[in-house]
This record gives sequence, structure tokens and C-alpha cells, in this order.
Amino acid sequence: NAGVTQTPKFQVLKTGQSMTLQCAQDMNHEYMSWYRQDPGMGLRLIHYSVGAGITDQGEVPNGYNVSRSTTEDFPLRLLSAAPSQTSVYFCAIGTASTDTQYFGPGTRLTVL
Amino acid sequence: EDQVTQSPEALRLQEGESSSLNCSYTVSGLRGLFWYRQDPGKGPEFLFTLYSAGEEKEKERLKATLTKKESFLHITAPKPEDSATYLCAVYDSGGSNYKLTFGKGTLLTVNP
Repeated sequence: NAGVTQTPKFQVLKTGQSMTLQCAQDMNHEYMSWYRQDPGMGLRLIHYSVGAGITDQGEVPNGYNVSRSTTEDFPLRLLSAAPSQTSVYFCAIGTASTDTQYFGPGTRLTVL
Repeated sequence: EDQVTQSPEALRLQEGESSSLNCSYTVSGLRGLFWYRQDPGKGPEFLFTLYSAGEEKEKERLKATLTKKESFLHITAPKPEDSATYLCAVYDSGGSNYKLTFGKGTLLTVNP
């Protein structure tokens, strides 16, 4: 998956619990992003980062926090999980030189 | 607002039966159009990037073409291993950097 690792692969949470989805890359790409994928909907951008220390909101940011202290890592935090956050989450990396984004293997999250 | 519509939603082919998938888009200015392949339980895998009308890209049995309003993914003599969901996405030159807008995908099944 193009040098992108995501952990965990599967996670089950109860409503109100918190957790962090991890995304790491070994390609030294400046751009990293988080998407969620739900049945019947296209991939939707949650948050993205164009470099260490820089983050911005995407299309569906509510309920999620991010930070980027290093080039390699871009964790996604759920502070108080809700059933509406049940989804498959993908991390992607890219560079400005090609515009192409490469996706990780995903994390399947279920919130009960 | 950027829009990407893919058709058909699902397509069943016999092995060797060529066909095309459609991706129509509405953007203020196209910066790039991307095709991805997604297998069940996996992350999207990059296939092609197209930048301007008239451009074509090929890879094995796949050929992607682009006009000012739509893109086609032509599949020639498909094999069962081509079965997957094919995703189309666009970058809007008038929108936020790195924000891809995805269509809902076409589920392709190739029967032996």
C-alpha cells in the first residue's frame, strides 16, 4: 500500500469511548489525509495536512481531531465515539509534484 | 460544489466481453482526474491520472480517456481478476489543495 501503514485493522468501540487511529508513512511525502468510506457514498475527506505542524479540515471534520508533529505520522483522534462514526477509515499520502494520492489498507471501526 | 457521478453502479461482464465505465464531473476548473481500483477489504489502488481533454492513458486491459465533462475507463477483453470497484475522483483547480472529490464507484464483476 505505497508505503502507508494503518493500525489497527479492526476496532470495536462503545459510544463515548475515545481512541486514536494511527497512520504512518515511509515515503517522506509532505501531504497526508484521512478519508472515511461508507456504503453508498464516495470517500469523504475528514482532515488533511500539507506538512508537519500544518493541518486543515476537510468535508466531514466534526468529531475528529488531528495533529502532525512529524512528517511520518498523522494520527486521527475520536474523542467521544458515536455510532455515526462507524465506517472504514483510510489514510492517504501524496506530493505536490504529482497530485496523486496513495492510500493505506484502512481501519474498519464499529461504534456500538 | 464539485460533483462526480459514476455509471453504471454495477456491471456484470463475461470474460472477454469489452465495455466502458463512465465518470461525469462538474468542477469550476479541472486540475486532475484520477481512477482507482478497490478490492474488497483493501484500500484504493491508483491506476491513472488525466489532466486535459483528449488525454489517454493505458495499462494492460484498461484505457482511460478524458473529455471536458467526463472520463471513460475502457476495459478490453476483461478477465475475472479485473473484478473490483473502480473509483473516479477529481481535483478542482478552484478548490482547496489536495481535496479529492470521489464518485460512489462502479462495481465490476467479470464472470469466467
